[in-house]
Amino acid sequence: AQSVTQPDIHITVSEGASLELRCNYSYGATPYLFWYVQSPGQGLQLLLKYFSGDTLVQGIKGFEAEFKRSQSSFNLRKPSVHWSDAAEYFCAVAHTNAGKSTFGDGTTLTVKP
Amino acid sequence: KAGVTQTPRYLIKTRGQQVTLSCSPISGHRSVSWYQQTPGQGLQFLFEYFSETQRNKGNFPGRFSGRQFSNSRSEMNVSTLELGDSALYLCASSPGTSGGRGTDTQYFGPGTRLTVL
Repeated sequence: AQSVTQPDIHITVSEGASLELRCNYSYGATPYLFWYVQSPGQGLQLLLKYFSGDTLVQGIKGFEAEFKRSQSSFNLRKPSVHWSDAAEYFCAVAHTNAGKSTFGDGTTLTVKP
Repeated sequence: KAGVTQTPRYLIKTRGQQVTLSCSPISGHRSVSWYQQTPGQGLQFLFEYFSETQRNKGNFPGRFSGRQFSNSRSEMNVSTLELGDSALYLCASSPGTSGGRGTDTQYFGPGTRLTVL
């Protein structure tokens, strides 16, 4: 069965500091991986996605993620965090049928001034 | 293009009642998926519809049902509501042009917040 693990429930970083959110997946075939962000009371916004090819993918808002097959990881990074980045972040893997995704439990990011 | 819209945004019901939630996908999108989000269980897949047919189903009881119309709009129905059904229900649409592979990108609506008293 497919699964996604986000080991960090809550992360606090200072504004301007770098950020890395961890994601590990378990999936038998080629994974289709996504990172989403959710602000309070809102739906999910796609940050970036990995399907194939270059293992370092760039997304919106200055985020990037690196796919490492050997570690079954897809960690999200940002070199300098802004206060507006405070939100909940979800890693997800899509099944062979696109409309069914498995999500991690999310990581809540707090940004200190 | 307008994004995914969900109505109503907020809903309060009592146990035993039923509820219908609506989702209008992005124009041209043929796939609509529904997810339930709760603090305890996180984001869980309910079902996916493509061209008016249910293509995937998650592990929810039969009280949860859905349908999709010819214009791709989708409704989700929950009968005999229980307290545990209180959640944010998210709808996502995708083009459905990749033959159902995971390469389709989902676009999420703002959700319907259902409270069961």
